[in-house]
This record gives sequence, structure tokens and C-alpha cells, in this order.
Amino acid sequence: AAGVIQSPRHLIKEKRETATLKCYPIPRHDTVYWYQQGPGQDPQFLISFYEKMQSDKGSIPDRFSAQQFSDYHSELNMSSLELGDSALYFCASSPRTARIISSYNEQFFGPGTRLTVL
Amino acid sequence: GQQLNQSPQSMFIQEGEDVSMNCTSSSIFNTWLWYKQDPGEGPVLLIALYKAGELTSNGRLTAQFGITRKDSFLNISASIPSDVGIYFCAGQPRHFYAGNNRKLIWGLGTSLAVNP
Repeated sequence: AAGVIQSPRHLIKEKRETATLKCYPIPRHDTVYWYQQGPGQDPQFLISFYEKMQSDKGSIPDRFSAQQFSDYHSELNMSSLELGDSALYFCASSPRTARIISSYNEQFFGPGTRLTVL
Repeated sequence: GQQLNQSPQSMFIQEGEDVSMNCTSSSIFNTWLWYKQDPGEGPVLLIALYKAGELTSNGRLTAQFGITRKDSFLNISASIPSDVGIYFCAGQPRHFYAGNNRKLIWGLGTSLAVNP
């Protein structure tokens, strides 16, 4: 079965540089979530999009922005990178239709992008 | 922000033993989800629970949605080495279900080590 695709899988940047992470949700999934996970931590919610509109915002720094495009893929843009931005970044998607409404809450994660800021 | 209370924080068991972990919340939840994460990989959804009292199995895994809707547990029977990883609970509080807001609240994870 098709899964969430993230690119790149690994990224190394210098301080103050910019980075763009891409996420391609599972087909027929309309909602995309972005998470940041540091070592030994649970995933920290950054931002989500539903039908190309921002639906919720978490602990996303002002230096970061994201959008969802007409084909439902999403990009996380990170500027003025700091050492503390080094982490795993995950994208997850949720289905558009489900047998029961609660299934909308099931989030399927991609393999992640490991960002290292030097 | 809001966090689920997940315990135990870590477990070290012998192959073949059963494992139990749980999550509790101070508020009522509509959905409970259990994920497993291997190092450097994305969390994989194991079981989703939608109704109070619901008991759902996925192979050797069994999870239950607590009657009070404020807790859930995950059991793993006859553990094997590939069960090693971090198990996360996540859920959606009742008051979060408004329109398109489907943000999940997460536990801090249970790290499981299995000795062959």
C-alpha cells in the first residue's frame, strides 16, 4: 500500500541557511500534519493543513512556514536555521473519507527527514 | 501543552514474556491511538480505538479504550526481539473535535527492550 513520502530523507545545513522539506500524503488523504521530534522526545506538533487551508498551529517557530498545494502535497520552509532545529521532521496524513468519523483522527506517518544544522 | 501520562517509561523483558503499558488523561478522549517507532523511523500506527470499553487486537497486540474514556492500555503477548522500540499512545480530547481540528495529544513513550 502507498505510504507517506518525505524528501529529502537527510539534510545537512549551516546555521542561518534555509531548508525546504517536502511531504506527499497517501492518495485520497486531505489532511497533512508536520511534527518535530528531538532525541528521546515524543513528536511535537508544528502545523496542519486540511484541504489546502491551515487547520491548526502548534509550536512552530515564526522562522518556519508551510503550505499545502492543490495536489495535497505540503512543504515546510525553514529559514535562519539554528543549531536547535536539528531534529527529525515527520509528516503525517489523514484520510478524506472514512467508515466512521473518528477514523479521520488516524494519522499515518512518513519516514521522516533528519535535519542536521551545523 | 497538554500531555498524556504514559507508563512505564521503559521496560526490559525476556523474550516470550507479556508486556503491558498504559496511558491516562485528566480529560475525556474521543480516540486513542497506539504507535510503535523504531529508531530513526516514523511512528507506525498499531491500533486505533473509538469507543469506550472497546477491545481491539492486532496479532499479538491488544488495546482497550477505558470505560471512563480517560485511559487506554496496550498489551503485547509472547514478546519477540522485533518488538523492541518505543511505543507511543496518542489521542484526541473530546473538546478538540471541532471542525477540522484533529490535533493529537501524545504520551512520552514507553521504551521496550527484549532480551532474546
